[in-house]
Amino acid sequence: NAGVTQTPKFRVLKTGQSMTLLCAQDMNHEYMYWYRQDPGMGLRLIHYSVGEGTTAKGEVPDGYNVSRLKKQNFLLGLESAAPSQTSVYFCASSPQGLATPHQETQYFGPGTRLLVL
Amino acid sequence: RKEVEQDPGPFNVPEGATVAFNCTYSNSASQSFFWYRQDCRKEPKLLMSVYSSGNEDGRFTAQLNRASQYISLLIRDSKLSDSATYLCVVNTNTGGFKTIFGAGTRLFVKA
Repeated sequence: NAGVTQTPKFRVLKTGQSMTLLCAQDMNHEYMYWYRQDPGMGLRLIHYSVGEGTTAKGEVPDGYNVSRLKKQNFLLGLESAAPSQTSVYFCASSPQGLATPHQETQYFGPGTRLLVL
Repeated sequence: RKEVEQDPGPFNVPEGATVAFNCTYSNSASQSFFWYRQDCRKEPKLLMSVYSSGNEDGRFTAQLNRASQYISLLIRDSKLSDSATYLCVVNTNTGGFKTIFGAGTRLFVKA
């Protein structure tokens, strides 16, 4: 099992450009998450998905969109990148996704470093 | 006030030392608690869940104090390989799923 993988590993964008970050998991997990991590701050939840075809907003959703067309993939889109979106982006997944998502271990991908100039 | 607060450190300890980290949380409705470990430029990985009764995994002991709204992590007999950032995570499913990560406590174990 590859676990959780993220593409790309690193990207530089100019302000206003768009891009999509891809997250894939091969563990048949129900829940998937997108976080950003900035210096001096904890990981902040951007969006999450409780199953194929569903998405929900997290703590900092503005400026991002997501899609979960297939169970194994969770895409994070930046329509018009801004310097404030320079960050490290982590995707995660968790297995059960029933009534107790808050009790579940999250498995993280290796991260994508994004620099917006 | 942050919802989850940790002392950022760094904690610099010699090998073999015992070190303890605390994490406080503000939402009394919080339901689940975890410690994750994050190595430099790597992804977070689960270290252990934290239960009300306390739990131990080898050299690591986690405790939860709901009345005072804090969790702790104790590392005994520190190893060089314990050097990392330790993240406190607090989850709730009341009024919708919410997961809050602390900013982390950095630990350096030196020979």
